[in-house]
Amino acid sequence: GESVGLHLPTLSVQEGDNSIINCAYSNSASDYFIWYKQESGKGPQFIIDIRSNMDKRQGQRVTVLLNKTVKHLSLQIAATQPGDSAVYFCAPWGGGYNKLIFGAGTRLAVHP
Amino acid sequence: EPEVTQTPSHQVTQMGQEVILRCVPISNHLYFYWYRQILGQKVEFLVSFYNNEISEKSEIFDDQFSVERPDGSNFTLKIRSTKLEDSAMYFCASSEYRGQIGGYTFGSGTRLTVV
Repeated sequence: GESVGLHLPTLSVQEGDNSIINCAYSNSASDYFIWYKQESGKGPQFIIDIRSNMDKRQGQRVTVLLNKTVKHLSLQIAATQPGDSAVYFCAPWGGGYNKLIFGAGTRLAVHP
Repeated sequence: EPEVTQTPSHQVTQMGQEVILRCVPISNHLYFYWYRQILGQKVEFLVSFYNNEISEKSEIFDDQFSVERPDGSNFTLKIRSTKLEDSAMYFCASSEYRGQIGGYTFGSGTRLTVV
């Protein structure tokens, strides 16, 4: 039968380009924010997190920016590789929630 | 690197049957979770477990679901009478602290197919 799935926003990039994945959140009391990556058929995998008192954090090839004024964060991936192809989720933590709540995510498709 | 291990990777069961999904969390972790993901949809919280009792559960986690930590290493999710709509990937996760920076460590999941 036909399957109905969630329509994910998709970001298509060329290998080697930089990628920017955006996330909006609603709970201004969140204590920190976590980015997860989910490859097809696998569980979510931690990428990077940022505390609410920071506006930028850098990891290896990834940078997260947090704008609390507009409740927005972004994940920047430098020199995107085919292995970066996955669905990316931001998950706020805290602010009264003692569990991770995942949004729908963004699919990143990396083309050679 | 420590891992959360889930078994089986794929389980097929008939509607109405009971299933038990198994998880071995990271050994020094104290908080345990089950999430599920219906095909093509987002990852949804089911239940959190700490100190041998449920800390929080979602609306999805009705009377047909139960969790147990039968020994010092396993954490199980039981569905008593499966329905077609229970077909999904089920992910176990664990964390050392409730508000742990870095979030949870997830297992690779069990794909449950109810026929």
